[in-house]
Amino acid sequence: DAKTTQPPSMDCAEGRAANLPCNHSTISGNEYVYWYRQIHSQGPQYIIHGLKNNETNEMASLIITEDRKSSTLILPHATLRDTAVYYCIGIGPNTGNQFYFGTGTSLTVIP
Amino acid sequence: GAGVSQSPSNKVTEKGKDVELRCDPISGHTALYWYRQSLGQGLEFLIYFQGNSAPDKSGLPSDRFSAERTGGSVSTLTIQRTQQEDSAVYLCASSPRGAQGGREQYFGPGTRLTVT
Repeated sequence: DAKTTQPPSMDCAEGRAANLPCNHSTISGNEYVYWYRQIHSQGPQYIIHGLKNNETNEMASLIITEDRKSSTLILPHATLRDTAVYYCIGIGPNTGNQFYFGTGTSLTVIP
Repeated sequence: GAGVSQSPSNKVTEKGKDVELRCDPISGHTALYWYRQSLGQGLEFLIYFQGNSAPDKSGLPSDRFSAERTGGSVSTLTIQRTQQEDSAVYLCASSPRGAQGGREQYFGPGTRLTVT
């Protein structure tokens, strides 16, 4: 499974775009990049996933570099409710059932 | 639509008692996971169900823990003879296609278990 590296914490001003980076230099060709977040005292929430093309949904956009060694999750207009820990995970057909969520990035949206 | 639901939301029990935690997954999801999360810690995988296959129990911390999934839907996690170290939030997640397809997991709100 791909080992992912994320900065431990980031701040973002309310209303601005939050760009959360993730390095996954060991990702294999068939592993997807998944993003989840966990707001304090709640269960984790699935955000988005992608393989090689950029993806967008109602929550966020995912930009994956051409070499697939890194990606960026973009929250286009961060709100205070986006304050959470964000996790980047590499998952593929050979990934076992035990997903390692790691320590993630603690994003604080500042009013 | 309805998400994953769990009950009870909070459970306080005395050391040595048995507890049952319930998870109702999203309808049609074939995969179901149980995790626990201690205060300030990451997610700890407990058990995984996929369709009618034998569950992956490799994460269960001791034989006091067991889980079943009836009819491929509702799941119950049972902890026998609870210990104080069992205190944690127990999270259930379901996934639409399990091991061979989409792996996105949708989590329930969790059950906060406190063993006194």
